Amino acid sequence: QKEVEQNSGPLSVPEGAIASLNCTYSDRVSQSFFWYRQYSGKSPELIMSIYSNGDKEDGRFTAQLNKASQYVSLLIRDSQPSDSATYLCAVNRDRGSTLGRLYFGRGTQLTVWP
Amino acid sequence: SAVISQKPSRDICQRGTSLTIQCQVDSQVTMMFWYRQQPGQSLTLIATANQGSEATYESGFVIDKFPISRPNLTFSTLTVSNMSPEDSSIYLCSLQGNLGNTIYFGEGSWLTVV
Repeated sequence: QKEVEQNSGPLSVPEGAIASLNCTYSDRVSQSFFWYRQYSGKSPELIMSIYSNGDKEDGRFTAQLNKASQYVSLLIRDSQPSDSATYLCAVNRDRGSTLGRLYFGRGTQLTVWP
Repeated sequence: SAVISQKPSRDICQRGTSLTIQCQVDSQVTMMFWYRQQPGQSLTLIATANQGSEATYESGFVIDKFPISRPNLTFSTLTVSNMSPEDSSIYLCSLQGNLGNTIYFGEGSWLTVV
């Protein structure tokens, strides 16, 4: 069983729509969850981090965490063509504070068409 | 956020040779991490590099193949030894921010082994 699973996509939404990206993880004791955006030919860029159950909003982005269901999602409101990228879900692999050791999902490719 | 510089940014290497990737950070950090991203795949953690001690390698990665140095708190190197085409990947240096809640990535080193 893979540690972190994502729908590989591709996910295609029109400009202005809400894009919904989903991720499940296998280790019930995971504490820290991250969403990264990776443009083609670039390194990953952190978009959101979330540690507690519920929603966390930052601009057009909302991360949602449900630890009971081992599920984390990312919503992108008012999607723009510039949001077209691969979105990587990452989960901390340690129960302590070593946040740098992450498991990554394979990513969901998002295309926002004008 | 920390500024992370990686060299080389890109290289084409001959099978059987070794290449050392450098990672320079503009501030002192305790822990640095090396990841690999093979074509079409997600990121996989190779090892954790701590200053003053030997690197800690993840399952599937060994020191003979990926020797790591960490001579001070702002610098680390990863060597990919005896390269084969399967080593063609992006190699990424990352670190944990001083606030402990963000993980930053360098721009990556894109290696192609021919």
